Formats: sequence, C-alpha cells, structure tokens
Amino acid sequence: GESVGLHLPTLSVQEGDNSIINCAYSNSASDYFIWYKQESGKGPQFIIDIRSNMDKRQGQRVTVLLNKTVKHLSLQIAATQPGDSAVYFCAEKVAGFSGGSYIPTFGRGTSLIVHP
Amino acid sequence: NAGVTQTPKFQVLKTGQSMTLQCAQDMNHNSMYWYRQDPGMGLRLIYYSASEGTTDKGEVPNGYNVSRLNKREFSLRLESAAPSQTSVYFCASLPRERETQYFGPGTRLLVL
Repeated sequence: GESVGLHLPTLSVQEGDNSIINCAYSNSASDYFIWYKQESGKGPQFIIDIRSNMDKRQGQRVTVLLNKTVKHLSLQIAATQPGDSAVYFCAEKVAGFSGGSYIPTFGRGTSLIVHP
Repeated sequence: NAGVTQTPKFQVLKTGQSMTLQCAQDMNHNSMYWYRQDPGMGLRLIYYSASEGTTDKGEVPNGYNVSRLNKREFSLRLESAAPSQTSVYFCASLPRERETQYFGPGTRLLVL
C-alpha cells in the first residue's frame, strides 16, 4: 500500500498465515525486479528476483508475481514465521543499464509483523 | 568471505565535525555504492563507483565526498556534518554482469 508521512505501511499477520506484500513501480522500461528483506539493525538482503519476461517466480516459501499491465509487484510468503518479521523492499532496474551504470530504484518498504 | 563490511557501526558527531565512513568488500566486485536510509523512507543513493578510479553522484550527493581507494574500498566523507545528515548509511557492492547488490550492515550516524 501507499505510505503516509514518515510511517511505513505495516502488515500484521499471525504465525502460519500467508503474507502478501505489494509494490507499485513507476517505470514501464524496468526489466528486472528484486525483493529485499531488511531485519532490524541490519542491511537489506536479497530474497528473490524476477525479470519482466516472467509473471511469476517461486522460491522457498516465497513467490513473486509481476503484473506489467498495472506496474505492480507482489511478494507472497507462505506459512509466515516470526523470523520473517522485517521490512521488505522492492527495487526495479531500467532496461539497458548494467554493470557500473546499474542504479536500481528502491521502494519505501513495508513492515511485516508476525505475531506468534 | 566477510562480504561487505562497514566501520564504524555507530558514531555521534557535533555539527561541523568531519568524519569518514569506511566500506570494504572482499568479493572482487566492480561497482560500489553509498546509500542513506531515513525513517520511513527507502534507500537513497548518495554516490556510486562503477569501477576502480571512477565515482559519480547519485540522488543526494550534497554534503558528501567519496573516494574509491582501490577495488576493495569505497569511503564516504562528511566534511562538515549537519543534523540533516543524521541517518543510517549503507554501503553496497555489485559484481560485474550481475544485478543484485550486496549490502553491508550499516553505520548509524547521529549529528547533534
């Protein structure tokens, strides 16, 4: 969802539920998308990525869905665990840039809180 | 491999003081980046270095300078710290021909 002021959107779920975190991207020329997880006091860590020629990609307990028509990305976490509590960021990369000219654009993030 | 390391972990400065944030990576990555992260906001790019010997401005470069000392190290300098520079600073690196960045643990800076 959209964030207001300085507060991140927050998603609260119960342990064992499935979580869906959404991200709207801005550039129709973006061809590569990444989800990062950032735990409190740590740097972002890669979770899963997807290219624009795909609409779904699955990892271990995580699935990323891409809807290019509405420029929307989602991260689904199955059987959410307390260790999944973190801030989740999406990032997009514009086609044609690679290597040193690769400058991804980061979303503001969503805070996931998992209640035991 | 230690990955991306940053020092110090935490620093308190007075307005007008200077300091250098250090970043090093042992993965032989070509590109390195400095970001700042403020409460409720995403990562904003300060400077980046596509390769050893080159640096370029990002979205919010004012008040900062950088040095790509060698392939491993990329430092960020605040010449005259201001309270607006209170933030968490992350360094990241990127291997050649890859598109996923590796991030350090961050430096928490408080400017009084």
